[in-house]
Amino acid sequence: DQQVKQNSPSLSVQEGRISILNCDYTNSMFDYFLWYKKYPAEGPTFLISISSIKDKNEDGRFTVFLNKSAKHLSLHIVPSQPGDSAVYFCASLNTGTASKLTFGTGTRLQVTL
Amino acid sequence: GAVVSQHPSWVICKSGTSVKIECRSLDFQATTMFWYRQFPKQSLMLMATSNEGSKATYEQGVEKDKFLINHASLTLSTLTVTSAHPEDSSFYICSAQQGNNSPLHFGNGTRLTVT
Repeated sequence: DQQVKQNSPSLSVQEGRISILNCDYTNSMFDYFLWYKKYPAEGPTFLISISSIKDKNEDGRFTVFLNKSAKHLSLHIVPSQPGDSAVYFCASLNTGTASKLTFGTGTRLQVTL
Repeated sequence: GAVVSQHPSWVICKSGTSVKIECRSLDFQATTMFWYRQFPKQSLMLMATSNEGSKATYEQGVEKDKFLINHASLTLSTLTVTSAHPEDSSFYICSAQQGNNSPLHFGNGTRLTVT
């Protein structure tokens, strides 16, 4: 049972435009959400996170939006840069259960010139 | 920023042999480290949670006798794949946490190929 879903396996965006990556979750106990970026043959790198008490968190070009009623979160990257091309994983956890992250399947973002 | 070093980055071994993968937090103490496995085009799957000084907690379906985890100190956890088989070939990634609910910091992973 995939509790965290990223329904778009890939996304292509032009440089300078906005990239929007989506993530849905089913477990209503999740209360903390994170986005990771991963290059091939490397470990994921933490990007940004959001607590369930917020609906938006912004850090530079990256903004994460959380819609708890829809159990949906999204990562906005603007403006997109070629170096943003990577696989992006969303991850969720219940802070009451020893921080066990549940990852989505990832979305491969390709930023074109 | 917090750095997690994982070694080796890739290893090829023969069936039946054992392979040890190290995960070190270089500039912080990690009471908890996590081991993940990633199959091609799939998500990271948590294998086990490693706590310093105690036995690891394994996820359902993960053989604890096959994937031995030792968290010897606050900066080092090891995963040993015992009696490796070709189906164990995968990308293994460790992560470490500075404190409860803080973001995980990942190693760069180890590509294991069993021939």
